[in-house]
Amino acid sequence: NAGVMQNPRHLVRRRGQEARLRCSPMKGHSHVYWYRQLPEEGLKFMVYLQKENIIDESGMPKERFSAEFPKEGPSILRIQQVVRGDSAAYFCASSVQGPLYGYTFGSGTRLTVV
Amino acid sequence: KQEVTQIPAALSVPEGENLVLNCSFTDSAIYNLQWFRQDPGKGLTSLLLIQSSQREQTSGRLNASLDKSSGRSTLYIAASQPGDSATYLCAVLNRDDKIIFGKGTRLHILP
Repeated sequence: NAGVMQNPRHLVRRRGQEARLRCSPMKGHSHVYWYRQLPEEGLKFMVYLQKENIIDESGMPKERFSAEFPKEGPSILRIQQVVRGDSAAYFCASSVQGPLYGYTFGSGTRLTVV
Repeated sequence: KQEVTQIPAALSVPEGENLVLNCSFTDSAIYNLQWFRQDPGKGLTSLLLIQSSQREQTSGRLNASLDKSSGRSTLYIAASQPGDSATYLCAVLNRDDKIIFGKGTRLHILP
């Protein structure tokens, strides 16, 4: 069991480009959560997805950010037209049936916008 | 709105000492509380998960307690080692299935 896999580990984008962050949950996990960690800040909830459904996206910025978790393949967090303020570590977590019995985090993707 | 606070923000102690990290939360209607460890530039490693019906959990030199009514949890580390140096994060699972994190305590164990 490879755990929660996130790629790439590091991503550098110029302002205005698009960033696509991938998260493959643990085998058998159908719930995925995305969090953002800004420097010197705690982890902030962004979005909670179940296969093909967005359960809660209350933490997602209204513009430029979107997330999906298709029936096949990894979950994707997409940031369009990136700005310097998007530079952060983005973490994905997965669970079997919601977070009640715990969840496993990936190693994160560190996005740097230059 | 749930708020999670961790005190102190940073802590340095000599190797071998026992220490306590604190976590408090404002809304006691939680499902569970989890302690994580994060090394610099790395992901989160789960240490201990305490369900709302439990009072404590233990793993090796770590012991976590939960007092839901007072909105507090502590992480006790016995006989600290330099390898324990990391940031320790506390997170609560709200009734709306949202996980709220504290900002963490940066722990440095002095050899």
